[in-house]
Amino acid sequence: GENVEQHPSTLSVQEGDSAVIKCTYSDSASNYFPWYKQELGKRPQLIIDIRSNVGEKKDQRIAVTLNKTAKHFSLHITETQPEDSAVYFCAGEPRDSGGYQKVTFGIGTKLQVIP
Amino acid sequence: NAGVTQTPKFRVLKTGQSMTLLCAQDMNHEYMYWYRQDPGMGLRLIHYSVGEGTTAKGEVPDGYNVSRLKKQNFLLGLESAAPSQTSVYFCASSYYSEGPYNEQFFGPGTRLTVL
Repeated sequence: GENVEQHPSTLSVQEGDSAVIKCTYSDSASNYFPWYKQELGKRPQLIIDIRSNVGEKKDQRIAVTLNKTAKHFSLHITETQPEDSAVYFCAGEPRDSGGYQKVTFGIGTKLQVIP
Repeated sequence: NAGVTQTPKFRVLKTGQSMTLLCAQDMNHEYMYWYRQDPGMGLRLIHYSVGEGTTAKGEVPDGYNVSRLKKQNFLLGLESAAPSQTSVYFCASSYYSEGPYNEQFFGPGTRLTVL
């Protein structure tokens, strides 16, 4: 099955600096890579995703890059703000042998933006 | 449109007791999932369902059972609770499509403590 590794597990940045979170995956069949943000005490919510036929995607201050050859993808947050403080999860999504989708999450990165 | 809801929000059990967690979604999603979230472990898939009347095992299914008698509901049962099942449980749902582009919508979570 899919194995997704995520690092770092914790990350502290000064407000206004950039933050980068990196993930690697094992299953070459994975073709969809979402990123979820979970604020303290809240539910995870999708913030950005990338498909395997795309190398980079941007949405305002966040961007995701994908290197299929190396099987790694990254989340980039620029001009960080205190409200970016949260736990971020990457995920890989292959289809299993039955053709069903299953998402495998990384362990999460706790991002702290220091004002 | 309530999205994904979970009942109860909190529960304390004694070892050996049983309980059922209820997940409901009003988005007509085909897929539903149960995850547990533990510190440093990320989100781990317990069981999932690809449609009414179907269920399948995820990454950590032992000690849990599930049922999907109605498309909008997905029940997670603990027959004999153990302290190792102390966790936060999240339900999620998503559309099915031929493409791998399915955002998962999470419920608010259930915090379960087993003494």
